[in-house]
Amino acid sequence: DTGVSQDPRHKITKRGQNVTFRCDPISEHNRLYWYRQTLGQGPEFLTYFQNEAQLEKSRLLSDRFSAERPKGSFSTLEIQRTEQGDSAMYLCASSLVAGGLDTQYFGPGTRLTVL
Amino acid sequence: DQQVKQNSPSLSVQEGRISILNCDYTNSMFDYFLWYKKYPAEGPTFLISISSIKDKNEDGRFTVFLNKSAKHLSLHIVPSQPGDSAVYFCAASGRAGGTSYGKLTFGQGTILTVHP
Repeated sequence: DTGVSQDPRHKITKRGQNVTFRCDPISEHNRLYWYRQTLGQGPEFLTYFQNEAQLEKSRLLSDRFSAERPKGSFSTLEIQRTEQGDSAMYLCASSLVAGGLDTQYFGPGTRLTVL
Repeated sequence: DQQVKQNSPSLSVQEGRISILNCDYTNSMFDYFLWYKKYPAEGPTFLISISSIKDKNEDGRFTVFLNKSAKHLSLHIVPSQPGDSAVYFCAASGRAGGTSYGKLTFGQGTILTVHP
């Protein structure tokens, strides 16, 4: 199968620690997105890549957040000096733009808890 | 500023009946709309989409209607089944070349419960 995968599924960390999440997109997809979802809300856009180029970052993405997609395949999202407010579900999605339409397929997410 | 709104936090429907989930948007630059279903502890699953050049798209039990003048879309599920019980999100993105192209803006979600 070839859906979007994310690792780890759950991460518990102490405030101030750094964490890194990985996303493997659907293999032929050229776009990769990161979103964050908190309880009772819809996912919020963080950043996206087309191949290896990071094309846009949300103002939600503070300087403590960095994302990479070094070879245009998998991506990592790192959070430095975590804060309790970073606790959320981090979702990755991928897509292959066709006919100008961008249908995104999501992974299972990484649930981050900052103590 | 909530550009995509789902004003009903929850909806309860009897099995076999129609479920209608509604979504309103404010950004006139949105031109592609999607519905996702989400179970607890899982990522959203894509259900159906519609581009602004259409007013209806159907896929099996799921139909999405778009009313551009009212900036409103709805998802109809007929007949509803207990397995449809989940949170449903509508999402929108903008035209190619625009600032909202690609990235999705989501509503807050509607919890659908289908009773046997």
